[in-house]
Amino acid sequence: AAGVIQSPRHLIKEKRETATLKCYPIPRHDTVYWYQQGPGQDPQFLISFYEKMQSDKGSIPDRFSAQQFSDYHSELNMSSLELGDSALYFCASSWDGGWAGGYNEQFFGPGTRLTVL
Amino acid sequence: DAKTTQPPSMDCAEGRAANLPCNHSTISGNEYVYWYRQIHSQGPQYIIHGLKNNETNEMASLIITEDRKSSTLILPHATLRDTAVYYCIVNYDKVIFGPGTSLSVIP
Repeated sequence: AAGVIQSPRHLIKEKRETATLKCYPIPRHDTVYWYQQGPGQDPQFLISFYEKMQSDKGSIPDRFSAQQFSDYHSELNMSSLELGDSALYFCASSWDGGWAGGYNEQFFGPGTRLTVL
Repeated sequence: DAKTTQPPSMDCAEGRAANLPCNHSTISGNEYVYWYRQIHSQGPQYIIHGLKNNETNEMASLIITEDRKSSTLILPHATLRDTAVYYCIVNYDKVIFGPGTSLSVIP
């Protein structure tokens, strides 16, 4: 079965550079989520999109932005990178379908490991 | 903020059942109980969810108390590959990972 695809899997950047992470959700999934997991920490919710519109926002720094495109893939753009941005970034997708009874299970990608030097 | 309380760590002998408890005393009527797990540095993996009835799937069973203030995830025959951090999550519209339980399955 198709899974969530993230690219690149590894990325090394210098401080103050920019980075773009990409996420390709499972086909027919309409919701994408981004998470950040620092060393030794639990995943932290950053932002989510449903049908190409931002649906929720967590602890995402102002230096970060994201969007979901017409083909449902999503990109997380990170500018003015700091050492503290070094982390695993996970994308997850789900099929929401406008269901009002809570949320459906999220399927996570393998993550992008970002290292800021 | 996480709305759940889980023990930080547990051990389980290989082949035995692993019973992972979770307290969620402030759960509201429309909130589901979800369980995910994360094997070291891999993406979290959905296990099971429930509202008020007990649930079972090919991976695990979920037992929810009648007052819904606590639940237990049961892995019926733990294997070494079940060693992971297990997260109990209670929410309506987002996944908030709190401190989970680090389960070590011992040969």
